[in-house]
Amino acid sequence: DQQVKQNSPSLSVQEGRISILNCDYTNSMFDYFLWYKKYPAEGPTFLISISSIKDKNEDGRFTVFLNKSAKHLSLHIVPSQPGDSAVYFCAAFGGSNYKLTFGKGTLLTVNP
Amino acid sequence: DAGVIQSPRHEVTEMGQEVTLRCKPISGHNSLFWYRQTMMRGLELLIYFNNNVPIDDSGMPEDRFSAKMPNASFSTLKIQPSEPRDSAVYFCASRTTGVEQYFGPGTRLTVT
Repeated sequence: DQQVKQNSPSLSVQEGRISILNCDYTNSMFDYFLWYKKYPAEGPTFLISISSIKDKNEDGRFTVFLNKSAKHLSLHIVPSQPGDSAVYFCAAFGGSNYKLTFGKGTLLTVNP
Repeated sequence: DAGVIQSPRHEVTEMGQEVTLRCKPISGHNSLFWYRQTMMRGLELLIYFNNNVPIDDSGMPEDRFSAKMPNASFSTLKIQPSEPRDSAVYFCASRTTGVEQYFGPGTRLTVT
């Protein structure tokens, strides 16, 4: 039973345009959400997070939106750059004091 | 500051052999996690240590897998005997009291 789902395995966008990565979750106990970025042959690196008491968090070109009623979050990257090409993982936290539940990731390709 | 260190980065071994993966968490981090990443199952949590004590090993697939954390700066994940289906990328991650986990570069294991 996959509690965190990233339904798009891949996404391709043009440099300078907006990238929107989506994530859905099923467990209402989740109260904190994170996005990680992963380059090939490297470990995932933390990118941005959002608490369930907020609906938006922004950090430079990256913005995460949370819709609790829909159990949906999204990561917006504006403008997209070729260096953003990576696998993006959505992760959720809550219901325990340690565990992150990860989605399977979305491969973003930003074309020059 | 050094991040999470894992060794070896790549391991190729024959079925039936013992494999030991090593991890050095970030200094001062008191929680350590071992994950396995495969195409089919994504990132799976295998075991979680807090203050060197195993708290949750429910993700360990079977008795062939074992993990230890003899001190705050070192942990091992051992597979004995190894099987081809154990081929995956194994990540170690650490954290302090926050939610964000910091991942090492991973060990790519191939069992032939």
